[in-house]
Amino acid sequence: QQQVKQSPQSLIVQKGGISIINCAYENTAFDYFPWYQQFPGKGPALLIAIRPDVSEKKEGRFTISFNKSAKQFSLHIMDSQPGDSATYFCAASKETSGSRLTFGEGTQLTVNP
Amino acid sequence: SAVISQKPSRDICQRGTSLTIQCQVDSQVTMMFWYRQQPGQSLTLIATANQGSEATYESGFVIDKFPISRPNLTFSTLTVSNMSPEDSSIYLCSVGEMGNTIYFGEGSWLTVV
Repeated sequence: QQQVKQSPQSLIVQKGGISIINCAYENTAFDYFPWYQQFPGKGPALLIAIRPDVSEKKEGRFTISFNKSAKQFSLHIMDSQPGDSATYFCAASKETSGSRLTFGEGTQLTVNP
Repeated sequence: SAVISQKPSRDICQRGTSLTIQCQVDSQVTMMFWYRQQPGQSLTLIATANQGSEATYESGFVIDKFPISRPNLTFSTLTVSNMSPEDSSIYLCSVGEMGNTIYFGEGSWLTVV
């Protein structure tokens, strides 16, 4: 059973545009929601993370929006750049499980110059 | 953030053989995990490496196939036993502290022929 569903599978955006990736989760016990960025040949790198006590978190051009009642969260990349082209994974965990992460399926983002 | 080194970074293995992957962290960490990422896919947790005791395996993964050691708070190994082409994947070590950020190594890219 896939506990974290991510969409879209792929996304093409023009330079300067906004990239939006969505995730939905099923387990209401999840209390930590990170986003990871992965370039080809590299391991995933933490981009930004949120906990359910806030509805939005912004770090530079990256923003997480969190809707606890809908069990959804999304990543917004403002002013998207070609260097943002990578695969993005949402994930979720619950502290009581020892920080074991459940990942979404991934979104391959391409930002055209 | 923790610096995680994995060895080997890449290898081509013969069917039926076993390979041990090493994960070294530059500081003591509470949590260590092993993930698998099959080509073009998301990350799946194999097991939690417990210091001084047997690893905790996720559903679908067994100790006979993926024996794990964790002799101290900075080092762990994952062995992929009796390999088949289906084991061709990226194997990722990750570390963190309870309730905090989980970091990933660059991964070990295994191809089984």
